[in-house]
Amino acid sequence: GESVGLHLPTLSVQEGDNSIINCAYSNSASDYFIWYKQESGKGPQFIIDIRSNMDKRQGQRVTVLLNKTVKHLSLQIAATQPGDSAVYFCADPASGGSYIPTFGRGTSLIVHP
Amino acid sequence: DGGITQSPKYLFRKEGQNVTLSCEQNLNHDAMYWYRQDPGQGLRLIYYSQIVNDFQKGDIAEGYSVSREKKESFPLTVTSAQKNPTAFYLCASTSTGGNTEAFFGQGTRLTVV
Repeated sequence: GESVGLHLPTLSVQEGDNSIINCAYSNSASDYFIWYKQESGKGPQFIIDIRSNMDKRQGQRVTVLLNKTVKHLSLQIAATQPGDSAVYFCADPASGGSYIPTFGRGTSLIVHP
Repeated sequence: DGGITQSPKYLFRKEGQNVTLSCEQNLNHDAMYWYRQDPGQGLRLIYYSQIVNDFQKGDIAEGYSVSREKKESFPLTVTSAQKNPTAFYLCASTSTGGNTEAFFGQGTRLTVV
């Protein structure tokens, strides 16, 4: 079964708003997560990662939050821009020990100008 | 520049034909993966290889075959046994251990005509 999954298939926001994309995981042993961005017709690219010894990690305009109690993580994008329109995946690189990257279904972020 | 290259970007296949998708990486990564992506869907694992001359079936291996004769190369053949091959195919690689970022190629869009 799927070890990571996103809550919403599509998220529409206005340019300038903050976006929050949520992801749940099932394996309590998972200790490292990565968010990827996939633009149309391209392969996914790394955005940000977080290890289980952290609750929060910040990048440029992006923040990832990890709640191990409820096995949930979120990606927050500040001041969303049209260039942020893409599909976002959360991934468990180790997939609970098998070390085969496993991806959720993805959330399509649509940014309206 | 180090990276992972897929070719061709677009591929058309006639019914009953076998086609081979190329994937080459110069990242010195041990592990390589093939995923299939259908519209609005996540990434489904077809085959993976964690070392040269060895590969394993993923979740949807039927109708596909691979080889791993060189560390740099992991070609995927879509055989005539694959009844619904039209999809976007993504190749990825990771360094040893797998609990790291996956690097993706730009994908090959295969269409049956």
